[in-house]
Formats: sequence, structure tokens, C-alpha cells
Amino acid sequence: SAVISQKPSRDICQRGTSLTIQCQVDSQVTMMFWYRQQPGQSLTLIATANQGSEATYESGFVIDKFPISRPNLTFSTLTVSNMSPEDSSIYLCSVDRVATEAFFGQGTRLTVV
Amino acid sequence: AQSVSQHNHHVILSEAASLELGCNYSYGGTVNLFWYVQYPGQHLQLLLKYFSGDPLVKGIKGFEAEFIKSKFSFNLRKPSVQWSDTAEYFCAVNANDKIIFGKGTRLHILP
Repeated sequence: SAVISQKPSRDICQRGTSLTIQCQVDSQVTMMFWYRQQPGQSLTLIATANQGSEATYESGFVIDKFPISRPNLTFSTLTVSNMSPEDSSIYLCSVDRVATEAFFGQGTRLTVV
Repeated sequence: AQSVSQHNHHVILSEAASLELGCNYSYGGTVNLFWYVQYPGQHLQLLLKYFSGDPLVKGIKGFEAEFIKSKFSFNLRKPSVQWSDTAEYFCAVNANDKIIFGKGTRLHILP
């Protein structure tokens, strides 16, 4: 299994500002994933973060809005830039050992006012 | 692109009723399939998973799911639900090294 810690667990932010979410894993993993879970919705994959390369973004998500860092095999950050109320959501970090299962952090509940 | 469809968005059952939640996926290659559960106020946790072998998979808390390749389906079942099964259930597929989730089914069990 993997233990994933996310910080902050929740935040209330002013529109136009940016928030960086941190994700720490207790073991080295090749791929880390960032998801968004909007109110009443499923999890939507934002991007895949591999160490040593640029993140791969899913359709509808761009690097300028959601820059991601992956400085080593146990840590990643997701920044939500120039926030608007539509960005209010739960953001989840995940690691996925291929052919096993995905493990999730507890999420960051973001409210933009 | 791969996708996951869950047929029921909201299901309400009485305790002891039988449960079946539908899940279909679209992907032509080899897939790994999952059901996750999210209890109120808690994070996602794995109920069960299928990788290969017996298409009938048993998970925690009495849940099981059957992989039917010809139908691209992976329906979740439980013969007798309990009030504590009230939660949101997500079907997911791992294809091309990333996990895609369905929209979820909100299950409400009446005591």
C-alpha cells in the first residue's frame, strides 16, 4: 500500500489568486496523478506527473492554469492559478502502481470566493 | 478514448434488499477494473478489483463484481445491503497507465 499526505486539507481563497497543493508519498512511485472532484461529480483526471519530465495534461486542462511540479519520486505539487469560483472543488493526489490499484490522498477542499 | 459509464446516478434501497450497480467501459485492449467506495466525509477506498482469472471477483464487506468481457461490463453486486453501505460508488478502469472513473452512483439505504 501507499500512504499519501496532502496539504492543505482545505482552503478558502480569493478569486484571482493561486494555491499550491502538496502531495507527499511514503514510498517512491513512478507516476503520480492529480484529479479534480467537483461537487456532485466524479473524479476527473487533470494530469499525470512523472519525475524528470513535464506533466501530461488531459483534454480541457492546461499547464498555465494547473502547473505541476515533480521534483522527485515521492513528491508533487499542483498549483491552481488565477482562481475563479468554478475552480471550487476537491483536488486529489493519487499514485497508481500499474496492475494493482490507485491510492488516494485525503484531498484538498478548495473554495474560491 | 477510454470511458466508463455508470447507469444509475442515485439508488435508494431498503435494508436487506439486493443491490446491482451497472458499469460499462469502452476500451479495446486489456483492462484492469475497479470499484471504489466513498463513505460520507471519507476518502476513496478500494472495494474490489479485477486483473485476470476468475471473472467473478469478491471484495470487502460482502461485495462482488462480475467481469463480462463480451459486454464490456463490470457490475457490482451485494445480496443484502446494510444501512452502513450508504455511500457513493465509483467504477474505474485502468487502461494506458491511467485510471478513468465513472460518474459515480450515490447509494442511499433506508433503515
